[in-house]
Amino acid sequence: QKEVEQNSGPLSVPEGAIASLNCTYSDRGSQSFFWYRQYSGKSPELIMSIYSNGDKEDGRFTAQLNKASQYVSLLIRDSQPSDSATYLCAVSLRGGSGGYQKVTFGIGTKLQVIP
Amino acid sequence: SQTIHQWPATLVQPVGSPLSLECTVEGTSNPNLYWYRQAAGRGLQLLFYSVGIGQISSEVPQNLSASRPQDRQFILSSKKLLLSDSGFYLCAWSDPRRGGSYNEQFFGPGTRLTVL
Repeated sequence: QKEVEQNSGPLSVPEGAIASLNCTYSDRGSQSFFWYRQYSGKSPELIMSIYSNGDKEDGRFTAQLNKASQYVSLLIRDSQPSDSATYLCAVSLRGGSGGYQKVTFGIGTKLQVIP
Repeated sequence: SQTIHQWPATLVQPVGSPLSLECTVEGTSNPNLYWYRQAAGRGLQLLFYSVGIGQISSEVPQNLSASRPQDRQFILSSKKLLLSDSGFYLCAWSDPRRGGSYNEQFFGPGTRLTVL
């Protein structure tokens, strides 16, 4: 079982719709959850961090975390063509020292917003 | 604000040649530093991390090595490149003062390496 699982997509949504991106993780002790956006040929950019159960909203983005179900999602409201990118889910697992905790990334979901 | 630099941006190297990629961070001190590789169609693979000068931990045994000669400098090296070393190499940093759980990592622009 992969530590962090995402559907690779592509997920196609029309402009103005809500895009829903999903991620599951295997380690129940995971403490921190992140969403990164990666445009083609570019490096990942952190867009959301979430640490406790529930929803966290930032502009058009909402991250949702359900630790009991080991599930984290990202909703993008009013999707724009500029949102077309690959979205990486990342989970911080237990372990390490010196302020370090390993972060494991999913393979990413490719989102296409159709004008 | 913090800035992370990587160079070169792109590199084409023959099999068996050496490699040196450099990463520097500005605007912070004592960062945790990371090297990742992203192969085509695959996820991010952690190669090395460092919590301080001269302190390097390897996640994946291979023909790569890393060094941290200065607080905000992280170098990825190889003595002999393999075809399988091709990929997108990403340096990242995080702030250990944020606490172990808040391990937000911020990436540099990356180096695209092609081994022929």
